[in-house]
Amino acid sequence: AQKITQTQPGMFVQEKEAVTLDCTYDTSDPSYGLFWYKQPSSGEMIFLIYQGSYDQQNATEGRYSLNFQKARKSANLVISASQLGDSAMYFCAMRDENDGGTSYGKLTFGQGTILTVHP
Amino acid sequence: DAMVIQNPRYQVTQFGKPVTLSCSQTLNHNVMYWYQQKSSQAPKLLFHYYDKDFNNEADTPDNFQSRRPNTSFCFLDIRSPGLGDAAMYLCATSRDQGILIYGYTFGSGTRLTVV
Repeated sequence: AQKITQTQPGMFVQEKEAVTLDCTYDTSDPSYGLFWYKQPSSGEMIFLIYQGSYDQQNATEGRYSLNFQKARKSANLVISASQLGDSAMYFCAMRDENDGGTSYGKLTFGQGTILTVHP
Repeated sequence: DAMVIQNPRYQVTQFGKPVTLSCSQTLNHNVMYWYQQKSSQAPKLLFHYYDKDFNNEADTPDNFQSRRPNTSFCFLDIRSPGLGDAAMYLCATSRDQGILIYGYTFGSGTRLTVV
């Protein structure tokens, strides 16, 4: 069974500063994908960035980068130059190829981190 | 634009009165998912369809049912809503279960209130 852990219930950052949101995972499958989603108060789930387990380089998407440390099973999200609009809930999620053969391909979420950006 | 559309955006239903939430997609994705998300919690998978094959999570209550009449539409039926079923319901689609590079595309969600 897979498991995603986000240990930071809430984080605060000053506008224009960088912030790191932590995520650790556990899976026995060698092939998996890691995702970060942003969920503003409106409720929609917005895809931010993806990292495959076999990817050699850390993923980057604009101001978002993923610090992937496979041996430590961590996939931290780094947001550079924070903006007020970045205030939201952030979810780390994982999808592997065969989750016990029942819900294979299922996307499992961590508990989320609420990020607040101060002006 | 191709997308996942959930209707309605907000739904108020009476305790015990059946309610249906709908999801449509123009992405032609073969997999559709329903998640329940309670306040300040992670989304929890209820069930998913791979084409017409229905897959129920082991801990999804019998009160929750789903229908997928065609590729584009998927419905979530709550037969007798209780106060504990008040939540955001998220529909998502994916191109294929086995291809990890494809994440999910989510709809905007339906926020259900039970009175």
